[in-house]
Amino acid sequence: DAGVIQSPRHEVTEMGQEVTLRCKPISGHNSLFWYRQTMMRGLELLIYFNNNVPIDDSGMPEDRFSAKMPNASFSTLKIQPSEPRDSAVYFCASSCISQFIDCPYNEQFFGPGTRLTVL
Amino acid sequence: AQSVTQLGSHVSVSEGALVLLRCNYSSSVPPYLFWYVQYPNQGLQLLLKYTSAATLVKGINGFEAEFKKSETSFHLTKPSAHMSDAAEYFCAVSTYDYKLSFGAGTTVTVRA
Repeated sequence: DAGVIQSPRHEVTEMGQEVTLRCKPISGHNSLFWYRQTMMRGLELLIYFNNNVPIDDSGMPEDRFSAKMPNASFSTLKIQPSEPRDSAVYFCASSCISQFIDCPYNEQFFGPGTRLTVL
Repeated sequence: AQSVTQLGSHVSVSEGALVLLRCNYSSSVPPYLFWYVQYPNQGLQLLLKYTSAATLVKGINGFEAEFKKSETSFHLTKPSAHMSDAAEYFCAVSTYDYKLSFGAGTTVTVRA
């Protein structure tokens, strides 16, 4: 398996522009998590999905952030409009939160991250 | 709500010396505990996890951690540090809601 795939790996944009980050989870995983990592705040959970349904979005900073998971193999995190304080590394992770055979229970696998810079 | 505290944001060890990274957790229910490693410009990789089976957990790359309920601790150790162990290490806790709460991280530097 290729692991969790994120794109783009790097994104540089100007303030006010729309940014879309993409994630493909590991095949067979039924939950997906979006995290943000900054020097000041460390790793923060933004939102997570179970079976494509958003379960907890309490970590989403504000209405400028939105996330979707239209199917089991794809998720997006969108920022509109972007601001310089959104600059961070955004990670996607996937896991099994049911007792599937051949799937480590409650173990999150992380993608390589997208480094976002908003000028 | 659950949380973890990592003691020491930076640890410097000599090659071949013991690596000890401290983590204390807070949880009102039996926790799942994890240690992840992050190399520069990479995502997080799971080192080991505790899921209420054995209290001494062995992970990859020679690391192990011991769950001590009485001390609410889950410290990570490696008997002999290698240059390749230089990275940032995160302790994390989750419970029934499957969300991971991460510590602030500990950066390990290995001296030749």
